[in-house]
Amino acid sequence: NAGVTQTPKFQVLKTGQSMTLQCAQDMNHNSMYWYRQDPGMGLRLIYYSASEGTTDKGEVPNGYNVSRLNKREFSLRLESAAPSQTSVYFCATQKGDSPRGEAFFGQGTRLTVV
Amino acid sequence: SQKIEQNSEALNIQEGKTATLTCNYTNYSPAYLQWYRQDPGRGPVFLLLIRENEKEKRKERLKVTFDTTLKQSLFHITASQPADSATYLCALERDSGYALNFGKGTSLLVTP
Repeated sequence: NAGVTQTPKFQVLKTGQSMTLQCAQDMNHNSMYWYRQDPGMGLRLIYYSASEGTTDKGEVPNGYNVSRLNKREFSLRLESAAPSQTSVYFCATQKGDSPRGEAFFGQGTRLTVV
Repeated sequence: SQKIEQNSEALNIQEGKTATLTCNYTNYSPAYLQWYRQDPGRGPVFLLLIRENEKEKRKERLKVTFDTTLKQSLFHITASQPADSATYLCALERDSGYALNFGKGTSLLVTP
């Protein structure tokens, strides 16, 4: 029972390159989220998916796209990376439907854009 | 606008003492509030959830209070240990009903 698994753990990109961050959960939760965490800014929601087949913008969606491939997988894509996207990215899932409960986080992807 | 405020200054305490962390919020009407622990290089880990109709909740050495009138939650760690050193985050549900908004966290350092 791995919980929430993110790949890769570390990545260095050049400005303008693209990449996809992968996230998979084995907890059978409907909702999945992508956050970024920057020093002094805390965790900020990029996109979320309430259930398979649906996605919605969070607080800081610009420069990102997401795909909810199935109930288990939720990927985050950077089409043209910028230095401002240097951050630690966390995927999370949340227990329950209404009300929702605790959230479970992956170990994070540390991304550097040079 | 909605805000979740936690002490930005690190809290340094001696082993064995009680650590008290504060979370204040504005423009939320939360059904519940959550506390998480985050260690360097790791994702946040859930600690406690307290509902609006609960004044206090305990789990082992942890105690959380929730005052919806004051719009404040207090997080206590009794008999603190160096292993309790971490950043502690409070979180509230977003208006959409999905995902959580987090405070920026308070760093706790427990020294022997």
